[in-house]
Order: sequence, then structure tokens, then C-alpha cells
Amino acid sequence: AQSVTQLGSHVSVSEGALVLLRCNYSSSVPPYLFWYVQYPNQGLQLLLKYTTGATLVKGINGFEAEFKKSETSFHLTKPSAHMSDAAEYFCAVSEAFGGYNKLIFGAGTRLAVHP
Amino acid sequence: DAGITQSPRHKVTETGTPVTLRCHQTENHRYMYWYRQDPGHGLRLIHYSYGVKDTDKGEVSDGYSVSRSKTEDFLLTLESATSSQTSVYFCAHQFDRGNGYTFGSGTRLTVV
Repeated sequence: AQSVTQLGSHVSVSEGALVLLRCNYSSSVPPYLFWYVQYPNQGLQLLLKYTTGATLVKGINGFEAEFKKSETSFHLTKPSAHMSDAAEYFCAVSEAFGGYNKLIFGAGTRLAVHP
Repeated sequence: DAGITQSPRHKVTETGTPVTLRCHQTENHRYMYWYRQDPGHGLRLIHYSYGVKDTDKGEVSDGYSVSRSKTEDFLLTLESATSSQTSVYFCAHQFDRGNGYTFGSGTRLTVV
């Protein structure tokens, strides 16, 4: 069965500092990988996704992630944190079934950004 | 929220009562999902649907049932609510496997 591990349930950075949120997955087949962001009292919003092709994926709000098959990782980065980036972030791996897939989510990482 | 709405947004119910949560989409997507979100667990799949009247169980389906009589509506029923079902419930839909999900805004359910 596929699974996702997010290292660090809480990450705190200074405004302007590098953001690095870690995600490792297990999958017996080439995975589809996703990062979602959740702001307080809201649903989840897709940040970026990897399906096939280029392993460095750019998303919204200046975030990007790199798929590293050898390390089974899909870490999320942003060069310079903004206060508005404070939220909870979820990594997910897909389990494919024909035309659709079930997403398996990690436990989430709450990002705090301080002045 | 991108053509998918959940109702109610908040609900408090008593132990042992049945509860139905509704998810409505306007984009005619075939695939729909119900998840619950709990601290430390991320999101866990309860049930999903791959078409009208076609549903299947996810990893935490005990105590829940679903129905999908129309493409646009996916209902989640707690047959006899328990305190362990206090959670935030999210519905999502998906165009195809190459796309991620689009989530509703969630229903916060408290069972007392």
C-alpha cells in the first residue's frame, strides 16, 4: 500500500527565509504526487502536482517541488517566506484506478512565519 | 469553491442520531470523494464514487454510508453518530487522474 510521511508536524521560519517542507512516499508504481495548502477554516487548495515529465514542478505562490525517485521524496520549497504562507501543508500520493485515483495524504505540516 | 459546495458548514448532533452531509458539484465530474480530517492524521478516505450509483469504501468507512443518485450530489450518512465521528468532513471531486482534487470548504461535525 502506498503511504506518505511528512517530516515535522510544525515548521517555523522567519519572513524572507527559505521554506523547506519534507515529504517522502512509498509506492510500488510510478506515483502521481501532490502538495496542497489549507488556510484556517478553509478547504484544501492544490499548490502543485507531479504526474510525468519534468521532475522540478512549479506551483502557485512561488512554491516548487522536486520529484526524486531515488530518494522517494517530493519536498516543497519556497526561496523566501511571506507572512501569508502561514498555513498547513499536505503532501499526497495517488493510487491509480483506471481513470481516477485515490489520494493518500500525509499527516500535514503546519508552517508558521514570524517577522 | 470551484463548483463544489458542502452543507451544512457546521452541525452539532447527539450520539446515536443519524446525520447526513451533502456535497453538491456543478461541473459534472464523475469522480467524488469523502474524507475526514483529524489532527495528526491528515485526511483519510471514507468513501468514494466513480459514477452514479457506483461507490466503494475507503480506509475508514465503518459507521458511514454514501449514496449518489445524481452526478451532482454525493451524500454521506452517519448511521448512528458516535463521539469518535466528531471531525471535519471534506468532499472533493476530480476530473481525471492527472488532475488533483478540488475540495469543498468542509463540514465541521460535533457529536455530543
